Amino acid sequence: GESVGLHLPTLSVQEGDNSIINCAYSNSASDYFIWYKQESGKGPQFIIDIRSNMDKRQGQRVTVLLNKTVKHLSLQIAATQPGDSAVYFCAENDFRGNRDDKIIFGKGTRLHILP
Amino acid sequence: SQTIHQWPATLVQPVGSPLSLECTVEGTSNPNLYWYRQAAGRGLQLLFYSVGIGQISSEVPQNLSASRPQDRQFILSSKKLLLSDSGFYLCAWSQDLEQYFGPGTRLTVT
Repeated sequence: GESVGLHLPTLSVQEGDNSIINCAYSNSASDYFIWYKQESGKGPQFIIDIRSNMDKRQGQRVTVLLNKTVKHLSLQIAATQPGDSAVYFCAENDFRGNRDDKIIFGKGTRLHILP
Repeated sequence: SQTIHQWPATLVQPVGSPLSLECTVEGTSNPNLYWYRQAAGRGLQLLFYSVGIGQISSEVPQNLSASRPQDRQFILSSKKLLLSDSGFYLCAWSQDLEQYFGPGTRLTVT
């Protein structure tokens, strides 16, 4: 089964506000985490990643926070825009340093932007 | 730069008919290749992955099979489709840790 899950299936945020999407994982051996954005009818697109030796990483308008103590991952989107409407998946990779590595995806959170 | 292609984009097939979905990757060599299925409003389920030509690992028992006849070609097949095979099928490739996804194929089995 999936070891990466989400706290909320749907998140509604006012345009211009910040969005925070949460994710819990259960495999303490996971050392690489990714956030993907999937717009309707399209494949997931990479947003940002973070390795387990970091607790924060920033991109353009996005920040990923990793709390290994409680096995929690979050994606923060600043100044949410209508184009941010999508389903967001967190994913973890149980890195074993070989080509058998697989990514485990969470179920996804749908981000809905309110005008 | 690398690109990944999937076709067809949409497909409507009757129950019991065969299936062949194709995925090709350009601009990279010896990638890991993956097939995922996504039911409506749900997450991604890994179906198959391949680390090389002719090497296929199946994640879940099902009505589908996969083949990798060439380094950058990954094919998803079925001899007889079931209604439960309907979904959005995504191909992905990776060379390191991050996976890159194709545009997907929407399959409706009627």
